[in-house]
Amino acid sequence: AQTVTQSQPEMSVQEAETVTLSCTYDTSESNYYLFWYKQPPSRQMILVIRQEAYKQQNATENRFSVNFQKAAKSFSLKISDSQLGDTAMYFCAFRGSSNTGKLIFGQGTTLQVKP
Amino acid sequence: KAGVTQTPRYLIKTRGQQVTLSCSPISGHRSVSWYQQTPGQGLQFLFEYFSETQRNKGNFPGRFSGRQFSNSRSEMNVSTLELGDSALYLCASSSGQIQETQYFGPGTRLLVL
Repeated sequence: AQTVTQSQPEMSVQEAETVTLSCTYDTSESNYYLFWYKQPPSRQMILVIRQEAYKQQNATENRFSVNFQKAAKSFSLKISDSQLGDTAMYFCAFRGSSNTGKLIFGQGTTLQVKP
Repeated sequence: KAGVTQTPRYLIKTRGQQVTLSCSPISGHRSVSWYQQTPGQGLQFLFEYFSETQRNKGNFPGRFSGRQFSNSRSEMNVSTLELGDSALYLCASSSGQIQETQYFGPGTRLLVL
C-alpha cells in the first residue's frame, strides 16, 4: 500500500528565515506525482508546488522549492524568506500513475511563522 | 476562471438523517474527487467521478455515495448519518488527465449531533 509520512507535527520559524518540512513516501510504482498543499485557517486547500517523479530537476515556485530524492523516497519542502502569510498546515500528497483522482495525504505539519 | 465551489458551506444534522453535498468544478474540468478530513483520520479519499462515471473509490461504507451530472457538477450523499461522519468534506477538480493537478474547493463542514 502507498503511504505518506510527515514526521514533524508542528514547526515554527522566524519571519524572513528559511524552514524545511519533511515528507517520505512508500510506493512500488516508478512513475508518480508528488504535491505540497497548504491549508490556512480558512481551510481552503491551496497547491504550493508539484513534482513529477520522472523529472530529475527539483521543482521551484518563487520562495518554495523541493528536494526530491527518488531513491530515498523523500520529498521535502523548503520555504525561503518566510512570511506571516505562510502560517498554515502543510500537507504532502502522493498520486500514483495508476490511481486517477486519488491523492494520498500525509498527516500534515502545522507551520507557524513568528514576527 | 472561477474556482471550485461547494454548497452548503456549513451543515448541522442529527444521527440517522441523510445529507447531500454539492460541488461545482472549475469550468472545463471533468473530474471531481471527494475527500473527508477529520482530526483523527486526516484526509481520506472517498471517490472520484469522471464523465459521469465513478472511476475510483476509497474505503468507505456504502452509506457514502456520489454522482456526477453532464455539466460535471457532482453531489455526494451520506445516508444514516453517524456521529463519526462529522468532518470537513472537500472536493477537488481536475481535467481528468493523470498528470493534472487537483484544485480544491473551500469545503463543507458537516456536524452530526
